[in-house]
Amino acid sequence: DAKTTQPTSMDCAEGRAANLPCNHSTISGNEYVYWYRQIHSQGPQYIIHGLKNNETNEMASLIITEDRKSSTLILPHATLRDTAVYYCIVRARTTDSWGKFQFGAGTQVVVTP
Amino acid sequence: DVKVTQSSRYLVKRTGEKVFLECVQDMDHENMFWYRQDPGLGLRLIYFSYDVKMKEKGDIPEGYSVSREKKERFSLILESASTNQTSMYLCASSFARAPSEQYFGPGTRLTVT
Repeated sequence: DAKTTQPTSMDCAEGRAANLPCNHSTISGNEYVYWYRQIHSQGPQYIIHGLKNNETNEMASLIITEDRKSSTLILPHATLRDTAVYYCIVRARTTDSWGKFQFGAGTQVVVTP
Repeated sequence: DVKVTQSSRYLVKRTGEKVFLECVQDMDHENMFWYRQDPGLGLRLIYFSYDVKMKEKGDIPEGYSVSREKKERFSLILESASTNQTSMYLCASSFARAPSEQYFGPGTRLTVT
């Protein structure tokens, strides 16, 4: 899996958009960008994934640069419940990618009132 | 919504006891996984299963076994619990065609004394 780099922490005001960057300069052609988050003492939660096009779902939007070397997860209207560690993961989507689900250190996002 | 449930949120067992952790998913996912998560070590795959009665070892299978008799249920068994198995145990599931889009349960925090 390609290595990712994320800021250690980020603060965001409630109701504002949170933009979480991720660098993945060694991403290869068959690797997707996945975002998960983990609220304290809970299991990780899948958020969104993409290959090269921008993606949006009910939780977030994912913007991937044209060269695919970086991406940004956008939480459009952050709430206090969005306080969590956010993980950017790059890996292939195929069955060759069993295990080795490396979450890395992630970005601690704190949403403040 | 995908739902992955685990039998207990907190569990305390004594050294040498046999421990059963159960996981149930309601999305008809083919794949199911058991991980443990420890501070500083991240997420580590113990076992996974891609079909009923099928199982594959992950990165750290020693001291554990698994059972998958029904598609929706995946059990993790600690044959003789030891203190170094104190950890957060996480179950996940995914469709066969998208193994990296894993949906996690809430986790079981197991303490072995």
